[in-house]
Amino acid sequence: EIVLTQSPGTLSLSPGERATLSCRASQSVSSSFLAWYQQKPGQAPRLLIFAASTRATGIPDRFSGSGSGTDFTLTISRLEPEDLAVYYCQHYGSSPGWTFGQGTKVEIK
Amino acid sequence: EVQLVESGGGLVQPGGSLRLSCAASGFTFNTYWIHWVRQAPGKGLVWVSHVNSDGSSTSYADSVKGRFTISRDTAKNTVFLQMSSLRPEDTAIYYCTRGVNYFDAWGQGTLVTVSS
Repeated sequence: EIVLTQSPGTLSLSPGERATLSCRASQSVSSSFLAWYQQKPGQAPRLLIFAASTRATGIPDRFSGSGSGTDFTLTISRLEPEDLAVYYCQHYGSSPGWTFGQGTKVEIK
Repeated sequence: EVQLVESGGGLVQPGGSLRLSCAASGFTFNTYWIHWVRQAPGKGLVWVSHVNSDGSSTSYADSVKGRFTISRDTAKNTVFLQMSSLRPEDTAIYYCTRGVNYFDAWGQGTLVTVSS
C-alpha cells in the first residue's frame, strides 16, 4: 500500500508570498496518477491539478504542480487571501485504489 | 452544469444501517466511475468505495469491506451506498465524486453520525 506524506502540516504566509507544499510517496508512483485538491473551510474538495502538473479547468495559473517518482510539489506562486484552505495530494494505484495524503493547511497572515 | 447531490445522512445508533444516495446530473452518467469519499470531523479525506461505469465492478476500503455495499441505478442516474453494522468511527461527511485516476467533480456531502 502506498502512503502519501504531506509536509509541512501547516504553512503560514502573507499575501503575495510563494507557498511550496510537498507530497512524498512511500514508493515510486506514476505521475499520471498524482492529483492535488483544495478544500476551503466548510466546502467540498475541488480538483486543482491532475497528472502531477496539469491544471484542472478554471484553476488560476498561480497554482502549479511538479515532481516525479516519490516527490511531488504544489506551488502557489503568489498567495491570495482566498487560498486559505487545506490541500491534499491523492494517488490512484492498486489496493487500495485511491489514497490521500493527510493534508497541508495554508494559513494567510 | 455537472452536479452530484448526496442525501440520506443522519443520526444512527451503533450497529444500525443507513442508505446514502448520490444523484447525478449534467453529464453522461453511465460513462463515469463514481466513488464515495468520507471525512471524519476535523480529519482528512479517506476513500471508501467505487463503482465502475456499468456497475460490473466495485471495490471497498478495508475499513468498510463486508459492511458497506455500493450500487448504481442507471435509469435514475443515482449511486447508492448501503451501510450496515455502523460504528462510531464511521461518523463523517460522506462525499460522492466521479472519476478514475482523479476526482473532478464533488457533491456537497451528507453527514452521518453514529452515536447512541
